[in-house]
Amino acid sequence: GESVGLHLPTLSVQEGDNSIINCAYSNSASDYFIWYKQESGKGPQFIIDIRSNMDKRQGQRVTVLLNKTVKHLSLQIAATQPGDSAVYFCAERGNYGQNFVFGPGTRLSVLP
Amino acid sequence: GAVVSQHPSWVICKSGTSVKIECRSLDFQATTMFWYRQFPKQSLMLMATSNEGSKATYEQGVEKDKFLINHASLTLSTLTVTSAHPEDSSFYICRVSGQGVLGYTFGSGTRLTVV
Repeated sequence: GESVGLHLPTLSVQEGDNSIINCAYSNSASDYFIWYKQESGKGPQFIIDIRSNMDKRQGQRVTVLLNKTVKHLSLQIAATQPGDSAVYFCAERGNYGQNFVFGPGTRLSVLP
Repeated sequence: GAVVSQHPSWVICKSGTSVKIECRSLDFQATTMFWYRQFPKQSLMLMATSNEGSKATYEQGVEKDKFLINHASLTLSTLTVTSAHPEDSSFYICRVSGQGVLGYTFGSGTRLTVV
């Protein structure tokens, strides 16, 4: 069935380093891929999305890469800051519908 | 962008009672609202999808008589957890979508604790 998964459940990085969070997906028909940040006790916060016909998109300090050949998605955070500590979820919008399928999440811990 | 308000942010209730959670779309017409449940250290699991003016569509394994969803207007959807039990304790979150909106915005979530 459809699934979105992550390679690393936890990730610890030094403040100032770059972070890379990975995600695998299985539905080739998904049209959008989205990254969310969720802080403790809060709802998911949209970070960046990428359409399926693109392979890279950049935002402020974040870059999302999409490799459709291997069905892989990644979120790169430049110069990671303490405020980036949170759980990050990837999600795919499947079959041009509105439902999102979420990955299991990766906890990012930024070390001082 | 879409602004979503969810209330209450947390609630504690006794076993057997019912709890209502509200999700409001503040600046656009939410034709569709999604309700998710999230247990500690887990991902978001879709419970049901509600379209304004229609009955909600529930995911497999979600009891529709226990989790009552009402989406009577384009700005408000409610989730009522009926006869709550401790195992219903969870974080409940709504997401809204509408015409011309990609539907990325979540509510702030409701922490339900049943004692």
